[in-house]
Amino acid sequence: DTAVSQTPKYLVTQMGNDKSIKCEQNLGHDTMYWYKQDSKKFLKIMFSYNNKELIINETVPNRFSPKSPDKAHLNLHINSLELGDSAVYFCASSLRQGRAIQYFGAGTRLSVL
Amino acid sequence: DAKTTQPTSMDCAEGRAANLPCNHSTISGNEYVYWYRQIHSQGPQYIIHGLKNNETNEMASLIITEDRKSSTLILPHATLRDTAVYYCIVRVADGANSKLTFGKGITLSVRP
Repeated sequence: DTAVSQTPKYLVTQMGNDKSIKCEQNLGHDTMYWYKQDSKKFLKIMFSYNNKELIINETVPNRFSPKSPDKAHLNLHINSLELGDSAVYFCASSLRQGRAIQYFGAGTRLSVL
Repeated sequence: DAKTTQPTSMDCAEGRAANLPCNHSTISGNEYVYWYRQIHSQGPQYIIHGLKNNETNEMASLIITEDRKSSTLILPHATLRDTAVYYCIVRVADGANSKLTFGKGITLSVRP
């Protein structure tokens, strides 16, 4: 079983559309994260949730709305997609808040046309 | 969190040891050295971490200098599958709002 799984793996869509990426972890961790890796390969944190509570929000446009229905799931909804949103989005989890050892999913490659 | 400096890239021959350096001259006493790697088209993968003693696990060894201002990740017998970007990150082990900050990393190319 994959520890941190994301769906879909690839997402191609038009500008202006709304899309969601789902993430699930079966590690029993309390904390989940969303990271964005842009075309220059820089990996940056976007959000962190601990037990369904938002902990870190890294000045991400409010078109991005994470939702955590339970501590095993953290979904990312993106409204009014823009060209600059094209990137690879990674979900991750850690045992608890603030831990440096994190487990990452395989990523979702989003292409906005 | 302290900043780190890594060479941009390096290569090594398959089967040989790969020694990946990292400088972290401003590291604080309570900060650990963490290493992650990212194989092409995959998510980052935790490798190893240490505070001041050398550490070894099934993936790699971590050598930290006595003054803790630099460290070396050692892959004892590199394989083609070890080709990846390796990130050296310095931060506290447990910090309520601490983030994992990835730099540019070092690209390791293992040649046949």
